[in-house]
Amino acid sequence: EDQVTQSPEALRLQEGESSSLNCSYTVSGLRGLFWYRQDPGKGPEFLFTLYSAGEEKEKERLKATLTKKESFLHITAPKPEDSATYLCAVQPTSGGSYIPTFGRGTSLIVHP
Amino acid sequence: EAGVTQSPTHLIKTRGQQATLRCSPISGHTSVYWYQQALGLGLQFLLWYDEGEERNRGNFPPRFSGRQFPNYSSELNVNALELEDSALYLCASSLGAVKWETQYFGPGTRLLVL
Repeated sequence: EDQVTQSPEALRLQEGESSSLNCSYTVSGLRGLFWYRQDPGKGPEFLFTLYSAGEEKEKERLKATLTKKESFLHITAPKPEDSATYLCAVQPTSGGSYIPTFGRGTSLIVHP
Repeated sequence: EAGVTQSPTHLIKTRGQQATLRCSPISGHTSVYWYQQALGLGLQFLLWYDEGEERNRGNFPPRFSGRQFPNYSSELNVNALELEDSALYLCASSLGAVKWETQYFGPGTRLLVL
C-alpha cells in the first residue's frame, strides 16, 4: 500500500526564516511526486511535479527536491503570503490507473 | 479563463438523506476527479471520470456514486448519508486522462451531516 507522511504537521516561521518541509513516501513504483499549496477554504493549487531522484524544481521562494524515499520543499526567505497548507502526493506506476496518494499536509504560518 | 466551479459551496443534510454535488471542469478538460478531504485527513480519491466513463474509483462504499455528462460536467451523489461523510468534497479536472499531474481543483463543497 502506498503511503505518504508529511512532517512537521505545523510550522511557524518568522518572515525571512528559511526552512524545509518533508514528504516521506513508500510506493511500489514512482511515476511522479506532486506538491500542492492549499489556502483556507480553497482547493489545492498545483506547484510542482518531480519524476526521478535527484530532480529539483524552483518557483519563486520554493524549491522542491526528490530522493528515492522522500521529497523536500525548501522555502527561502518566506513571506506572510506563503502561509498555507502544503500537500504532497505520490502517483504510482502500478495498476495503470495512476491514482495518487496524498499526505495530510504541513500547515505553514509565516509571521511578519 | 474560468476555473473549476463547484456547487453548492455548503450543504447541510441529516443522516440518511442523499446529497448531490456538482462540478464544472475547465473548458476543454475531459477528465474530472472527485476527492474527499475530511478534517485532519489527507485527500482521499473518490472517483475519476473521463469522456463520460467511470475510469476508476477509490476505496469508498457504493453509496458514493456519480456520473459525467456530455458537456464533461459531473455530479457526485452520496446516498444514505452518515455522520462521517461530513467533509470538504473537491473536484478537479485535467486535460485528458493521462494528465493527473496537472489537475486543477475547484474550491470544494463543504458537506455537513447532522
